[in-house]
Amino acid sequence: RKEVEQDPGPFNVPEGATVAFNCTYSNSASQSFFWYRQDCRKEPKLLMSVYSSGNEDGRFTAQLNRASQYISLLIRDSKLSDSATYLCVVNMIGSYQKVTFGTGTKLQVIP
Amino acid sequence: DVKVTQSSRYLVKRTGEKVFLECVQDMDHENMFWYRQDPGLGLRLIYFSYDVKMKEKGDIPEGYSVSREKKERFSLILESASTNQTSMYLCASSSISGDNQPQHFGDGTRLSIL
Repeated sequence: RKEVEQDPGPFNVPEGATVAFNCTYSNSASQSFFWYRQDCRKEPKLLMSVYSSGNEDGRFTAQLNRASQYISLLIRDSKLSDSATYLCVVNMIGSYQKVTFGTGTKLQVIP
Repeated sequence: DVKVTQSSRYLVKRTGEKVFLECVQDMDHENMFWYRQDPGLGLRLIYFSYDVKMKEKGDIPEGYSVSREKKERFSLILESASTNQTSMYLCASSSISGDNQPQHFGDGTRLSIL
């Protein structure tokens, strides 16, 4: 089983729709979680951290479910500019960071 | 804002050449990382460094070495480039202070080995 798994998609959604992605992780000792956005042929950019209580940033909501070992990203009122690949990232904090990236979920928002 | 700068956006080299990829960060971060990213495989960690002159192997270190002589600079070296090292190379840095510190990436270097 992969350490971090994501549905590769693509998710094709119309503008204005709500879309959600999940990301499962296998190591229960994982301690911190992030969502990154990566545009085609560009570097990953931090979208948001994921906190235990869940957190929201504008149209984006991130949640963590430790019992079932997954994180989720919800995008409301999708924009064309949201089209990108979304990577989930799982950290095990220690003396040296052990970071695992998912392979990403591709989102295409269509007019 | 964190700034991670990679020396080249695009690079073309020949098989057998020694290749240097440079990365500089301006946020006094302790941790620095080198990844490669290939279609369908995601980001794979080559090496990371948690302090000057310190380094740890990642998941795919074979054929690579690294150097960290100064805190702000982390170099990736392909000792004898091969065609299977054609890839997108990404450098990242992060702080160790506080919890929940994300990695910040450079623009990436698209390396082609002919």
